[in-house]
Amino acid sequence: EPEVTQTPSHQVTQMGQEVILRCVPISNHLYFYWYRQILGQKVEFLVSFYNNEISEKSEIFDDQFSVERPDGSNFTLKIRSTKLEDSAMYFCASSVRGGANVLTFGAGSRLTVL
Amino acid sequence: AQSVTQLGSHVSVSEGALVLLRCNYSSSVPPYLFWYVQYPNQGLQLLLKYTSAATLVKGINGFEAEFKKSETSFHLTKPSAHMSDAAEYFCAVSEEQGAQKLVFGQGTRLTINP
Repeated sequence: EPEVTQTPSHQVTQMGQEVILRCVPISNHLYFYWYRQILGQKVEFLVSFYNNEISEKSEIFDDQFSVERPDGSNFTLKIRSTKLEDSAMYFCASSVRGGANVLTFGAGSRLTVL
Repeated sequence: AQSVTQLGSHVSVSEGALVLLRCNYSSSVPPYLFWYVQYPNQGLQLLLKYTSAATLVKGINGFEAEFKKSETSFHLTKPSAHMSDAAEYFCAVSEEQGAQKLVFGQGTRLTINP
């Protein structure tokens, strides 16, 4: 069964460092998403991406965050200068279509900022 | 604005007993509703979804959920719990038309006692 793969599974970084989280969505999917879950809190929407541009973003997704689809397969989330409060599990997801179509999620990348 | 409330962050049932996980939603438009499950060290996997067709929705692994507009609820049930059902369960809502983001509840951890 096709799956969304994320790397790394766990990353530890120092505050102020740049972090890139990588995702390989399902190959025929056109919409891509990042969500995050701070420990003990809800899963929160960060950003959606379609046709090589951001289609929607949340208040959390400020100038410190960026997304990119550098080639035909990868979808990355970059945090420019990490803060302690960026520590969370980050989930990548993809879907064939937008709207209420089903999202397929990856296993997540746990980011720990020290 | 949409929101989801899951009553009970932790539910514990005996093997063979009924599973009931509660979800109430708030939406200004007819919603699409979802239940996702997360097993340890895995991504979020779709259990079932409601998209304005039948109000009783059957999903994988014997789970089902009933959409009750009058109660703004979408509770998840399974008649007989199995040890393999132990996981975290998330209810989520999206708008019917075009919205690409899911709004999640805080999750309910289901424990199955032998």
